[in-house]
Amino acid sequence: KAGVTQTPRYLIKTRGQQVTLSCSPISGHRSVSWYQQTPGQGLQFLFEYFSETQRNKGNFPGRFSGRQFSNSRSEMNVSTLELGDSALYLCASTPGQGPYEQYFGPGTRLTVT
Amino acid sequence: GQQVMQIPQYQHVQEGEDFTTYCNSSTTLSNIQWYKQRPGGHPVFLIQLVKSGEVKKQKRLTFQFGEAKKNSSLHITATQTTDVGTYFCAGYHEKLTFGTGTRLTIIP
Repeated sequence: KAGVTQTPRYLIKTRGQQVTLSCSPISGHRSVSWYQQTPGQGLQFLFEYFSETQRNKGNFPGRFSGRQFSNSRSEMNVSTLELGDSALYLCASTPGQGPYEQYFGPGTRLTVT
Repeated sequence: GQQVMQIPQYQHVQEGEDFTTYCNSSTTLSNIQWYKQRPGGHPVFLIQLVKSGEVKKQKRLTFQFGEAKKNSSLHITATQTTDVGTYFCAGYHEKLTFGTGTRLTIIP
């Protein structure tokens, strides 16, 4: 099976712009979670989607949003970018909701200037 | 909300020495998972522990889940350069929460 794919792999944006990141889970996986990783903060949970519904949400401002499509692919959007949004954004897929092992994609490295 | 802390944050060891990272949760967990992230890579699942007091081994790695299901540890015996990376625990209680991670560097 192909692994989790994320596009784009690298992105440079300026403050105030918005960005959309994409994640394609492993075939058959229906749950997708998003994480933000920065050197000082580790892995911070953004949100989890299952069957096109947001099931859990982390402690991030409303500028961060996401959605999941019927084919389980997911996108996350960050509006009004700030310098502090520079990070590696990782998505992970699991077969369903619950304590499954997370299969991570390679991530999207976002740099905000 | 649920918090999962790991110590130490960084660990530098001579090749061949042992290494241990500890994970503590503010809540009782259903299970705990461990991941390894190599430099420049993404987290990769290592193992999951479910039972109170459970101990599992993978070659030189030993994973332990505390009796109260609120703490866990990962011990590596005789570290090798291939062990370099950041080790994360992730505790599950209604949702998965990752620990702060321990970055292991090896001095050859």
